[in-house]
Amino acid sequence: QLQLQESGPGLVKPSETLSLTCTVSNDSISSKNYYWGWIRQPPGKGLEWIGTVYQSWHTYYNPSLESRVTISVDTSKNQFSLKLTSVTAADTAVYFCARQGYYERWFDPWGQGTLVTVSS
Amino acid sequence: DIQMTQSPSSLSASVGDRVTITCRASQGISNYLAWFQQKPGKVPKLLIYAASTLHSGVPSRFSGSGSGTEFTLTISSLRPEDVATYYCQKYDSAPYTFGQGTKLEIK
Repeated sequence: QLQLQESGPGLVKPSETLSLTCTVSNDSISSKNYYWGWIRQPPGKGLEWIGTVYQSWHTYYNPSLESRVTISVDTSKNQFSLKLTSVTAADTAVYFCARQGYYERWFDPWGQGTLVTVSS
Repeated sequence: DIQMTQSPSSLSASVGDRVTITCRASQGISNYLAWFQQKPGKVPKLLIYAASTLHSGVPSRFSGSGSGTEFTLTISSLRPEDVATYYCQKYDSAPYTFGQGTKLEIK
């Protein structure tokens, strides 16, 4: 059964770069059948799509975050990563990774999520 | 970009009630719509995809309908364990936008 697990620092200082990794188990991140996405949820608020990557060469980003976001794939580690630059308190959120189908691009399954707090 | 708007933002209903949540897209998205359930402190769970197809393991009291710009999620007979926030998500093309959520409580 596919499992996804987010990892990374739980505390990031304002103006610095948030870096998270999603480790994929029991499936290959190189599979041509799937896309891989990041979603976040600020405390007490709704879900926001951040971006999606396919095969390490095709990325899609939320226009509201595009200038600060990079998503990449490390096939050797079966992981994909998120980098968000110049963070502020507004970037404090639970960050989830999830799989999307090649045609069926809903998010399923999801990782457990990791809380990242932006604070000095 | 296409906006997704859910209504109501919150609702309170009694056990056994029929509950309907609406999701509207600012432009047509055919049937490329999914619904998620998120219980407090938990990970969102896929309920429905392709607007009306029930995901494996989801109780049959949940159903979805719609196409184009208007979609509904219906719970035929509300149970206490259905207390959650429900989100719609478009997936016709990027950006894969979510609705703002509908918080469902028991009266």
